[in-house]
This record gives sequence, C-alpha cells and structure tokens, in this order.
Amino acid sequence: TQLLEQSPQFLSIQEGENLTVYCNSSSVFSSLQWYRQEPGEGPVLLVTVVTGGEVKKLKRLTFQFGDARKDSSLHITAAQPGDTGLYLCADPGDTGRRALTFGSGTRLQVQP
Amino acid sequence: EAGVAQSPRYKIIEKRQSVAFWCNPISGHATLYWYQQILGQGPKLLIQFQNNGVVDDSQLPKDRFSAERLKGVDSTLKIQPAKLEDSAVYLCASSLAGGDYGYTFGSGTRLTVV
Repeated sequence: TQLLEQSPQFLSIQEGENLTVYCNSSSVFSSLQWYRQEPGEGPVLLVTVVTGGEVKKLKRLTFQFGDARKDSSLHITAAQPGDTGLYLCADPGDTGRRALTFGSGTRLQVQP
Repeated sequence: EAGVAQSPRYKIIEKRQSVAFWCNPISGHATLYWYQQILGQGPKLLIQFQNNGVVDDSQLPKDRFSAERLKGVDSTLKIQPAKLEDSAVYLCASSLAGGDYGYTFGSGTRLTVV
C-alpha cells in the first residue's frame, strides 16, 4: 500500500493569492487522483492524472504529475473563498482492486 | 442521478454501546466501499464489496466492526462495542466497476463516542 504524504497540512491565505500543495510518495503511482472535501460532505473528484509529466487544468486549478510519477502538485491561481476545503490526493491502486488510498490532506482556508 | 445516500448524518453514543450505519449506493454500482475518516486525516478504507462479496476487509477491526451487503445493493456497517477512538466520519462510496469509472462518496455519518 502506498504511503502518500501531503504538504502543507494547513494553509490560510487571503482571497486573490496563489498557492501550491503537494503530494509525494516513495513509490510510483499508476495514476493519481485529487479530491476536494467540504465540511460535512464526502470527497469530490477534481481530476485524474495518469501520464508522467502530465498537466491538467480545471479553471483556476492546475494539476501536475511528476515525470517519475512519484509526486504531484495542485496550483490554485487567485484563490477564492469557495476554494476553502480539504484537498486530498489519492492512489486508486491496481486494476482489479481499485480502492482509494488517501493522503492526509491539505486544509485550505481562503479569507475574503 | 441520485447520489450515495447515508444515514444517520450524526450519532452520539456512549462507549461500549452499539451503532449501525446504512448506505444506499448509486443504482447499478457494483462496488461499495466503507471508509473511516478521523478528524485531521484522510479517509482510510475499512471494507470493499463487489456485489455482495467482500473484496478487501484487511483494515477492518473485526473484533468490533462488521459489515454486510445483502443482495448486493445497500450496506450496513456496525460497531459493537464502540470505543472512544471510533469517533470519526464514516464515509460510504460506490463505483460502477471497481473504480475504473470513478467513485462517488456519500456525505458520511459523523460518530461521536463519549
């Protein structure tokens, strides 16, 4: 089972600032998913990255998968209060098992 | 489509009592998961079902936790007896075919053991 480390654990910023959060592992991911979880709700899938070096954009969110597929980052441009939440990276595991292994998350708070 | 339904939303019990959580997955989703999320941590898999069979329960504390998915549709997770460290959010998720087409999570049940 992969051990996923996320950093920072907590981030509090002002509206309009940019930020980057990270997800690292000592092992190679076959693919990686990013989720956002709001208080009182379950995680919601943001993106899946599969290919080393891949970059995906979702409005103001940019996701990057490391060339060696052992790390990933999420960059948010001009953060808004609606971005507040817990950002989780997750390893979907191998085909046939496909149960998510989550990192501990980065809790983001965007102050208006 | 309707999402993953969970009940109750909140539960407070005393230690050593029993509690049960219910999950109704998205219609047609063969795979169902129960996760435990302790405050400040990411969700941790407790058990995975494929239809009504268990795929992985290696992280389920079987001395006190049990789960079933009769008829391969809805599922129940039970804790008996509860301990203080069981205080957490219990999330249910389902997927169409082992996660290959994505996962959908319910809103969870927040359990407080006092």
